[in-house]
Amino acid sequence: AQSVAQPEDQVNVAEGNPLTVKCTYSVSGNPYLFWYVQYPNRGLQFLLKYITGDNLVKGSYGFEAEFNKSQTSFHLKKPSALVSDSALYFCAVALRAGNNRKLIWGLGTSLAVNP
Amino acid sequence: DAGVIQSPRHEVTEMGQEVTLRCKPISGHNSLFWYRQTMMRGLELLIYFNNNVPIDDSGMPEDRFSAKMPNASFSTLKIQPSEPRDSAVYFCASSLASNGYTFGSGTRLTVV
Repeated sequence: AQSVAQPEDQVNVAEGNPLTVKCTYSVSGNPYLFWYVQYPNRGLQFLLKYITGDNLVKGSYGFEAEFNKSQTSFHLKKPSALVSDSALYFCAVALRAGNNRKLIWGLGTSLAVNP
Repeated sequence: DAGVIQSPRHEVTEMGQEVTLRCKPISGHNSLFWYRQTMMRGLELLIYFNNNVPIDDSGMPEDRFSAKMPNASFSTLKIQPSEPRDSAVYFCASSLASNGYTFGSGTRLTVV
């Protein structure tokens, strides 16, 4: 079965420290990978995506993610965390469905950045 | 562009009543998705449309749920009759090809 796993329900980091939010996937074929962020009482916002090309993808708010095909991972990273980064983060994988993409979602990881 | 617009932002209704949630996707986007989010089950895809045609409604929980997309700029999700377990935040999202989704701000539904 095709799936996305975010193994950590919660990640806690101190402000200024690097952060990593983990994501692994299991899909057939070449995946399209996405990260979204959800702030309280808001909809999900697109952060970054991997379609093809360079394995290191840079996105919004200083976030980046590295596609690792051998480990089937797409971990989200940021060199220096801010308190304002505290939010819920979702990893998603796109599957081809007709002419568009149906996303399979992870369950989310709550990131808490402590001042 | 104003983004994906959902209405209402909040809805409180009594069990048994009909509820209609509305969504206006981003102009030019050809796919529209309805999601439900709860603490227990996370994000669940209910249904999605491609070029106004329903492609996959396997996530629609029961016959009480129905969705329509009469044109490229409007979609509705209807629950009739509503039940307390339908209480959740319902998100609409639209996309164009592989560019990812743009989500609306959601409708928080409370059924009492």
